[in-house]
Amino acid sequence: GEDVEQSLFLSVREGDSSVINCTYTDSSSTYLYWYKQEPGAGLQLLTYIFSNMDMKQDQRLTVLLNKKDKHLSLRIADTQTGDSAIYFCAEGLTGANNLFFGTGTRLTVIP
Amino acid sequence: ETGVTQSPTHLIKTRGQQVTLRCSSQSGHNTVSWYQQALGQGPQFIFQYYREEENGRGNFPPRFSGLQFPNYSSELNVNALELDDSALYLCASSLGRGGSQETQYFGPGTRLLVL
Repeated sequence: GEDVEQSLFLSVREGDSSVINCTYTDSSSTYLYWYKQEPGAGLQLLTYIFSNMDMKQDQRLTVLLNKKDKHLSLRIADTQTGDSAIYFCAEGLTGANNLFFGTGTRLTVIP
Repeated sequence: ETGVTQSPTHLIKTRGQQVTLRCSSQSGHNTVSWYQQALGQGPQFIFQYYREEENGRGNFPPRFSGLQFPNYSSELNVNALELDDSALYLCASSLGRGGSQETQYFGPGTRLLVL
């Protein structure tokens, strides 16, 4: 549960879709989370997916989970400048009380 | 707005000093977790408290200690501060006993600088 990897940077144009990727290594993951962190702020929960699901959609956000490849992605449709932030994926493991976070992906939205 | 507050927002200390950071959880949330977020990194789990008892601990030395109070407030204490303790410290509260399947709601953090 300690190897959660994300690419560090992503730039997209306003109005395009953003796709942020995450890979994890622990097969006992139960829930997988996406958090957003704006400059100088704490973490805001965006969405989560249970490990027996393949996809979850919540307004502009779509989470895809490929459990075989241990790959998680967050798609943001119609990306806005207010979406510029750091996005963290995190996994919760069976029997663990805490979350394991990736290093975060800094999303920059170009007007 | 998660309903989780932390104080102070910023703090500067010198090496060897002691520091106490405070967190106020959402009312009714029995579990509080503390995380350390170094610059450019994701949060790392320090420990968790459930109903005033420690309920799990990450890979942090004993000079990191905590307390949880019945009024949904909690403290993180760090003794003998080191330069590497400079980080954003986040607390998160959750409703139940604190399993990984429970949604954790984070506060805005306390940014600690050790000189």
